[in-house]
Amino acid sequence: DSQMTQSPSSLSASIGDRVTITCRASQNIASYLNWYQQKPGKAPKLLIYAASSLQSGVPERFSGSGSGTDFTLTIGSLQPEDFATYYCQHSYGPGAFGQGTKVEIK
Amino acid sequence: QITLKESGPTLVKPTQTLTLTCTFSGFSLDTSGLGVGWIRQPPGEALEWLAVIFWNDDERYSPSLKDRLTIIKDTAKNQVVLTMTNMDPVDAGTYYCAHAKQLWVSGVWGPRGVYFDFWGQGTLVTVSS
Repeated sequence: DSQMTQSPSSLSASIGDRVTITCRASQNIASYLNWYQQKPGKAPKLLIYAASSLQSGVPERFSGSGSGTDFTLTIGSLQPEDFATYYCQHSYGPGAFGQGTKVEIK
Repeated sequence: QITLKESGPTLVKPTQTLTLTCTFSGFSLDTSGLGVGWIRQPPGEALEWLAVIFWNDDERYSPSLKDRLTIIKDTAKNQVVLTMTNMDPVDAGTYYCAHAKQLWVSGVWGPRGVYFDFWGQGTLVTVSS
């Protein structure tokens, strides 16, 4: 069963910054990788599925890339509503989430 | 409009069995490529994938918890039930159910490539004697 390692665990950034979060799988998971955003007290929200497909209604500043074991979520220009915790999740067989990356205001 | 809502006890005692129900609307588990999953989150911690059941009765469980989990679906009632045996205080947290979609890959649905695109609000479970 593949485990997911996210980095960094937290980061500080300013409005307008380009932000990159990485997720590494312990084995080859092809493109079976999803990204979610979670705000305090709320359920997670799907951003990206199948590594690079943007979920309907999600702003285009969010993008995903990667395949195999290394994946990236990029926020092109950070907006105030983007301060949240982000999780990757693989779905290669039984799924698993990464440990999360908290994006905070600098 | 797809909605899901979790229900069940807010407090269980150690060693007891937790039974949670996800009641959903806006889709049917008779539909190819769909499923319902369960995910939990201890307070202040990361999400943990628990189990998912698909339209074709395929079930997937977290390897670390599979001996304690059972997931079943009642298509007529639009419900999915998760049971977790032998509850411990470390099992406390918010339990979410979510609408699961499989990817259409090489002419078949899943089972790999599942994503959760609609979530319930979550239900908080405390484990204490």
